[in-house]
Amino acid sequence: QITLKESGPTLVKPTQTLTLTCTFSGFSLSTSGVSVGWIRQPPGKALEWLALIYWDDDNRYSPSLRTRLTITKDTSKNQVVLTMTNMDPVDTGTYYCAHRSGQFAFDPWGQGTLVTVSS
Amino acid sequence: DIQMTQSPSSLSASVGDRVTITCRASQSISRYLNWYQQKPGKAPKVLIYAASSLQSGVPSRFSGSGSGTDFTLTISSLQPEDFATYYCHQSYSTPYAFGQGTKLEIK
Repeated sequence: QITLKESGPTLVKPTQTLTLTCTFSGFSLSTSGVSVGWIRQPPGKALEWLALIYWDDDNRYSPSLRTRLTITKDTSKNQVVLTMTNMDPVDTGTYYCAHRSGQFAFDPWGQGTLVTVSS
Repeated sequence: DIQMTQSPSSLSASVGDRVTITCRASQSISRYLNWYQQKPGKAPKVLIYAASSLQSGVPSRFSGSGSGTDFTLTISSLQPEDFATYYCHQSYSTPYAFGQGTKLEIK
């Protein structure tokens, strides 16, 4: 059974850096074709894809956030870390990590973690 | 970048109704189109992947069709537990994109 869980601060101040950790079980991020993505959702709004890291360390970012995002993996710890710099109140929302095998859907997703950006 | 346009943004329907949600890509994405269901306070769950493949455990009243730029999600007979928000998602190329969502409400 594949499970993922996001962890990190629930409240960050504007201009601070957010670090979120996705801890997973049930798969290995060194297996060919496997990737983990981050997706966020502002309150009451649609899903927004942020970043993706592949089994071979290749990564992809949302162009609009590319300069602020870094995604890394620690295969030995079964973790993926997302950092987002220069946080702003508009970055408030629920942040999800999700597993993907192949080129199709994200499945399953973590439960999500709500991050509020406020001074 | 590929844009996904989903319609309608909201829909009122009754239990037993047949409902169709559409998603259009700004360029061809072959069959790299996925559908998710999201209930309030919960993470999205995949219903359909690769345009028409039913995810394991998902009821057969859900179906997907389409290829290229135009896709549909159909619920053949709405059940009370189907009232939720639905999103399409293109996984053809990064940056990945989700549709704006369709909120399905009880009439």
